[in-house]
Amino acid sequence: SYELTQPPSVSVSPGQTATITCSGDKLGDKYVCWYQQKPGQSPVLVINEDSERRSGIPERFSGSNSGNTASLTISGTQAMDEADYYCQVWDTGAYIFGTGTKLTVL
Amino acid sequence: QLQMQESGPGLVRPSGTLSLTCAVSGGSISTNNWWSWVRQPPGKGLEWIGEMYHSGTTNYNSSLKSRVTISVDKFKNQLSLELKSVTAADTAVYYCARGGYCSGSSCFYYMDVWGKGSTVTVSS
Repeated sequence: SYELTQPPSVSVSPGQTATITCSGDKLGDKYVCWYQQKPGQSPVLVINEDSERRSGIPERFSGSNSGNTASLTISGTQAMDEADYYCQVWDTGAYIFGTGTKLTVL
Repeated sequence: QLQMQESGPGLVRPSGTLSLTCAVSGGSISTNNWWSWVRQPPGKGLEWIGEMYHSGTTNYNSSLKSRVTISVDKFKNQLSLELKSVTAADTAVYYCARGGYCSGSSCFYYMDVWGKGSTVTVSS
């Protein structure tokens, strides 16, 4: 079955740029979306179709996807961005989630 | 604004059946969307369980397919989940979510509305 791999953790200083990667075989041939999940809360869709930012999501969030890697980039990271982030694709009739990345804003 | 709310027993005995419902408000379940269940074990990641279209068509995670049934009640505007023969490994927060849709020749697979989740513990 298809697998998506993310780094377990990423750390960033406030105001700096955070990049979270998602790796999968020929991932660039698929659409990737990204969810943000804060402790005790439901996931929130932030990016769909690789780079489409959802309504209400700050412009500092952006996405890209090429080759075997998709990326979620947060420019000018704020303390409120500290959360778990999951990538997701659709593959052969199933939703596949990435392993998840904990973003820490130090 | 569409809202979804899960409900059901918080404790299920091992080998029993987990049953949850998801009430959809602020919109109809009979739209051009699929409706999904996703779960998250304590401290772990997200796992898709399966989905249903209001017509009755279903797709299930192959790892759970033998134990899962998802149904839709269009009149009550709600989604239901049954998971049989549960074990401690099924302990998780269970979410319902509005899933993908097709428009013309294009289909889009993401979950844009989620319930708050229902915590289910499997224990004797």
